Amino acid sequence: GESVGLHLPTLSVQEGDNSIINCAYSNSASDYFIWYKQESGKGPQFIIDIRSNMDKRQGQRVTVLLNKTVKHLSLQIAATQPGDSAVYFCAENVLGGSEKLVFGKGTKLTVNP
Amino acid sequence: DTGVSQDPRHKITKRGQNVTFRCDPISEHNRLYWYRQTLGQGPEFLTYFQNEAQLEKSRLLSDRFSAERPKGSFSTLEIQRTEQGDSAMYLCASSPLWGAGGNIQYFGAGTRLSVL
Repeated sequence: GESVGLHLPTLSVQEGDNSIINCAYSNSASDYFIWYKQESGKGPQFIIDIRSNMDKRQGQRVTVLLNKTVKHLSLQIAATQPGDSAVYFCAENVLGGSEKLVFGKGTKLTVNP
Repeated sequence: DTGVSQDPRHKITKRGQNVTFRCDPISEHNRLYWYRQTLGQGPEFLTYFQNEAQLEKSRLLSDRFSAERPKGSFSTLEIQRTEQGDSAMYLCASSPLWGAGGNIQYFGAGTRLSVL
């Protein structure tokens, strides 16, 4: 069935380093992907999205890369800050299909000062 | 605050009791979603409304669960005869009907339910 998974459940980096969070998806029909950040006690917060007609999209300090061939996407955070510490989820959707987002289990990012 | 608002933030109840949660979406967002999140997991889709119409329901939404959005604005999620397995964070999200080419869903802070 459709699912979204993550390679690493935890990631620890030093402040100022770049972080890379990976995500694998299994539904080849998925054509829209979102990265969310969730801090403790809060709801998921939108970071960046990408459609399947793109390979790369950049935001402020974040870049999402999409490799449709191997059904993989990644979130790169530049110059990671302590405020980036959170759990990061990727979510997938089929535009024009079901409205639901399918989330993976998440990667917990810890930024050490 | 113009984000998605959920009430209450926390709810503790005894097994067998009924509970109701409320969600106020972002103003003018036609689409509203309910998700459930357990510890260490990503959110799982429960149901979706477009205006007042409930258009999608997950198999997770058992007969004990019911959601409404009577006037196409706020929504309620009711759980009848709660079970310990219902303990989770219940998240509400909303999005505009005509987004910028995507389906960005904006989440509230959630209602944490503990069933004793």
